[in-house]
Amino acid sequence: QQQVKQSPQSLIVQKGGISIINCAYENTAFDYFPWYQQFPGKGPALLIAIRPDVSEKKEGRFTISFNKSAKQFSLHIMDSQPGDSATYFCAASILGYNQGGKLIFGQGTELSVKP
Amino acid sequence: NAGVTQTPKFRVLKTGQSMTLLCAQDMNHEYMYWYRQDPGMGLRLIHYSVGEGTTAKGEVPDGYNVSRLKKQNFLLGLESAAPSQTSVYFCASSRQIISSGGYNEQFFGPGTRLTVL
Repeated sequence: QQQVKQSPQSLIVQKGGISIINCAYENTAFDYFPWYQQFPGKGPALLIAIRPDVSEKKEGRFTISFNKSAKQFSLHIMDSQPGDSATYFCAASILGYNQGGKLIFGQGTELSVKP
Repeated sequence: NAGVTQTPKFRVLKTGQSMTLLCAQDMNHEYMYWYRQDPGMGLRLIHYSVGEGTTAKGEVPDGYNVSRLKKQNFLLGLESAAPSQTSVYFCASSRQIISSGGYNEQFFGPGTRLTVL
């Protein structure tokens, strides 16, 4: 079963526009929601993460919005730049001593920012 | 610091052949993971380890075995490769989680692209 569902699968945005990627999860025990960014030929790298005790987290042009009741979270990229063109993955985890830090990933969104 | 390194970068196997992928990390991390990445599927956890000498199954463990004999190394083995195992394999590592608070960043290697004919 797909515990984390991500949409859209691909996204094309003009330079300066806002990119929005959405994720929904099923397991209410998840308590850690990171976003990873992956460039072609590279491994994913942590971009930004949020815990469910806050509804929003912002780091520069990147913002996570979190809706605990709807079991949804989203990534917003403001003033999108061609250098943001990459594949983005949302993920969810249960952080705890005996949980192993395992991440459940969404399917990924391929973002292309046109100049 | 090299971070997380993976060997080899590319490999082509014939059905039924075996091979071992090597992952090494120099960050003294307790936790290590093996994922596979397939188009439209995201990354799926194969096996993971929370410390030297311990391993556990992830979401898609069938057809794979792992070993963590040294803290810095995590090996992924395919005993009898199948075309369905054609994928890009990523290793990752992270610090030990000692409480339910805070954050936990996983650091990924560059990946191994495996093709099984």
